[in-house]
Amino acid sequence: RKEVEQDPGPFNVPEGATVAFNCTYSNSASQSFFWYRQDCRKEPKLLMSVYSSGNEDGRFTAQLNRASQYISLLIRDSKLSDSATYLCVVNPYSSASKIIFGSGTRLSIRP
Amino acid sequence: DTGVSQNPRHKITKRGQNVTFRCDPISEHNRLYWYRQTLGQGPEFLTYFQNEAQLEKSRLLSDRFSAERPKGSFSTLEIQRTEQGDSAMYLCASSASGTLNTEAFFGQGTRLTVV
Repeated sequence: RKEVEQDPGPFNVPEGATVAFNCTYSNSASQSFFWYRQDCRKEPKLLMSVYSSGNEDGRFTAQLNRASQYISLLIRDSKLSDSATYLCVVNPYSSASKIIFGSGTRLSIRP
Repeated sequence: DTGVSQNPRHKITKRGQNVTFRCDPISEHNRLYWYRQTLGQGPEFLTYFQNEAQLEKSRLLSDRFSAERPKGSFSTLEIQRTEQGDSAMYLCASSASGTLNTEAFFGQGTRLTVV
């Protein structure tokens, strides 16, 4: 089983739609979770961290479910500029730990 | 610009040649990561440093790959006897340690093409 799994998509949705992605992780001891965004041929950039209580940043909402070991990202009122690949990232916190990426979910917003 | 810097941005090499890439992390970051990314895939972990110590190396990394971070600042990734399957984007990232939810910042990557 992969350490971090995502639905690769692609998700093709109309502008203004709401879209949600899930990501599962295998290490129950994982402590830090993130969503990164990656545009075509660019480096990944942090979209938002995911906190235990869930958190919102404008049109974006991230949630963590420790019992089921998944995190989610909800995008409301999607814009054309939201078209990108969304990467789920897990950091099993310790004094020395690597950052593990999912394979990414491609999102395409159509006019 | 004080972000993560990678050089070169692009590298075309003939199969069998050796190549070396450099990464300069954000200066106060003590963690440095190397990833490889191919089209349609997420970044695949290669190796990780905390200061100058290489703490983990992926089993996917063959003996042809070696990475160093001699003074705990910049890092190099060398690939010996390159193969066509090594063609990919090589990404470097750095982060601070000691706190939860610490963000990793990526460089723009080195795109390697082996012909």
